[in-house]
Amino acid sequence: EAGVVQSPRYKIIEKKQPVAFWCNPISGHNTLYWYRQNLGQGPELLIRYENEEAVDDSQLPKDRFSAERLKGVDSTLKIQPAELGDSAVYLCASSRTGYEQYFGPGTRLTVT
Amino acid sequence: GDSVTQMEGPVTLSEEAFLTINCTYTATGYPSLFWYVQYPGEGLQLLLKATKADDKGSNKGFEATYRKETTSFHLEKGSVQVSDSAVYFCALSDQSGNQFYFGTGTSLTVIP
Repeated sequence: EAGVVQSPRYKIIEKKQPVAFWCNPISGHNTLYWYRQNLGQGPELLIRYENEEAVDDSQLPKDRFSAERLKGVDSTLKIQPAELGDSAVYLCASSRTGYEQYFGPGTRLTVT
Repeated sequence: GDSVTQMEGPVTLSEEAFLTINCTYTATGYPSLFWYVQYPGEGLQLLLKATKADDKGSNKGFEATYRKETTSFHLEKGSVQVSDSAVYFCALSDQSGNQFYFGTGTSLTVIP
């Protein structure tokens, strides 16, 4: 089966600009996660979806970050406006069971 | 709260050496435990898992045993190869499957 697809793979923007990341999960996976991974660190959860519903967004900085998962399939994560500290790799993962997650290749964001 | 602690790197080994990467966890109830591997420029890949005490997960020559008495899930491989060079993450899924926690990662470099 096809894996989790993310785009773009790399993005360089100036601070205060908006940016969006897209994720298409594995077919049939109802749970979708967005993580942020800072250099030399493990992934940190930003938001988790069960189908269309965001069931855990407690770690999402809501003043500048937003996410949506229309129709319960693919998802978009947006940052507006971006700050220097947002430079990181943004990972999308999906799961059928809620226990075992499958990750996409990530989007490496550089904010200058 | 639940958490995962893994040994800090970087770890450098010669080819065919024995590998151990320590991981301990704190959790209530009966979590599931995972090891993920991240190759340069890629997302995380599930390496192995264990869902209950005394389970042994294994894949590609790597093994880890879920030890509830010592709250540990150490990763081992008897003979590492250059291609094993990557960052390894220990992770925990809580009993409900709703929360996922990653360690900070251990970088492994295998030299010929």
